Amino acid sequence: DVKVTQSSRYLVKRTGEKVFLECVQDMDHENMFWYRQDPGLGLRLIYFSYDVKMKEKGDIPEGYSVSREKKERFSLILESASTNQTSMYLCASSRDHLNQYFGAGTRLSVL
Amino acid sequence: TQLLEQSPQFLSIQEGENLTVYCNSSSVFSSLQWYRQEPGEGPVLLVTVVTGGEVKKLKRLTFQFGDARKDSSLHITAAQPGDTGLYLCAGAPGNQFYFGTGTSLTVIP
Repeated sequence: DVKVTQSSRYLVKRTGEKVFLECVQDMDHENMFWYRQDPGLGLRLIYFSYDVKMKEKGDIPEGYSVSREKKERFSLILESASTNQTSMYLCASSRDHLNQYFGAGTRLSVL
Repeated sequence: TQLLEQSPQFLSIQEGENLTVYCNSSSVFSSLQWYRQEPGEGPVLLVTVVTGGEVKKLKRLTFQFGDARKDSSLHITAAQPGDTGLYLCAGAPGNQFYFGTGTSLTVIP
């Protein structure tokens, strides 16, 4: 079975802090994705990556950056956390960018 | 404006009832996926439909892809409390992958 592991289930941070969300997959998938999920807005794509050291902006990249130094790891970085970044963050991986496998999510609260 | 519109947004039914949820778009998709997300967890892929008119069954769940490949439906027969969750359709009309806003289903014992 594909396993996508997100480093934290719950995270509480202060406004202005730098926040790292880590995601690791064990199926050698080329594609990895970061989404945020908010009530009434569904899943929105922040960034995705089709290869190591490669990244593409999704629909809402502002305020975020990503890093993919190794194939299995895709990190989401909030350079200076703000309260409007309070959300559920979901990482996914896929072999063909269609059938995505998700982690359990990180619920981030920015106070 | 959402590329994939799902309806209804919320659905609450009694155990044993049947239901259908819909996923509609004005765009043509090469395939559509359906996911189920339980509270506090990430979405889990249920099925992928790839051919216009295709019907796929997964136990009590029946998925259909529209003939024009712009819409899909999910029918659940004799719903059970374990079916409770958020049902999401998703697809990629081009390079980017999109999710619908989802249908939140509650099955009451």
